[in-house]
Amino acid sequence: GESVGLHLPTLSVQEGDNSIINCAYSNSASDYFIWYKQESGKGPQFIIDIRSNMDKRQGQRVTVLLNKTVKHLSLQIAATQPGDSAVYFCAETDSGTYKYIFGTGTRLKVLA
Amino acid sequence: DAMVIQNPRYQVTQFGKPVTLSCSQTLNHNVMYWYQQKSSQAPKLLFHYYDKDFNNEADTPDNFQSRRPNTSFCFLDIRSPGLGDAAMYLCATSSTSAETQYFGPGTRLLVL
Repeated sequence: GESVGLHLPTLSVQEGDNSIINCAYSNSASDYFIWYKQESGKGPQFIIDIRSNMDKRQGQRVTVLLNKTVKHLSLQIAATQPGDSAVYFCAETDSGTYKYIFGTGTRLKVLA
Repeated sequence: DAMVIQNPRYQVTQFGKPVTLSCSQTLNHNVMYWYQQKSSQAPKLLFHYYDKDFNNEADTPDNFQSRRPNTSFCFLDIRSPGLGDAAMYLCATSSTSAETQYFGPGTRLLVL
């Protein structure tokens, strides 16, 4: 069977509170970043993206912040709902490659 | 509407028995990817195609092969599955570099 996986960092938040999930990326040449949501047994689902010429981008209830100086990416979820419970991955790439590098992931648990 | 389709969703095979997983896309994207994902881990890139140009990751075992007969379809062949190959296999596409990567629902492979 499968080998035992690493323990994912877990963020537990109360329903209705805001969630902030962080990601440190590795390549200073990366110029495009994506946040994915992955529910159990499903493929990663695109949430929001941001390019390196921006510091902030907003979607519906989600905001991505990019700090290139310290190579840090964050995903903010407003008014977290039970349906937001999932594992969240950041991914980075640069225009010179077709490869995406994934972060280790964070499990978000929403408490009722 | 399904954009990246993977079949089957669940696949059971026997140790050493060849297995093929399939992926199709309706997005007409140039790039197709195969990832392996084990429990509580990030997706791990096995290989990708840009059009018909095949790119293998250095650490992808020789046991894994891929075919892309046309733009829409891509196959993952596992020649002699071992117990350690039990995982979720994810197919993804993107139009080109530094663009959104879309994932399929994945195929869960079980090796007996």
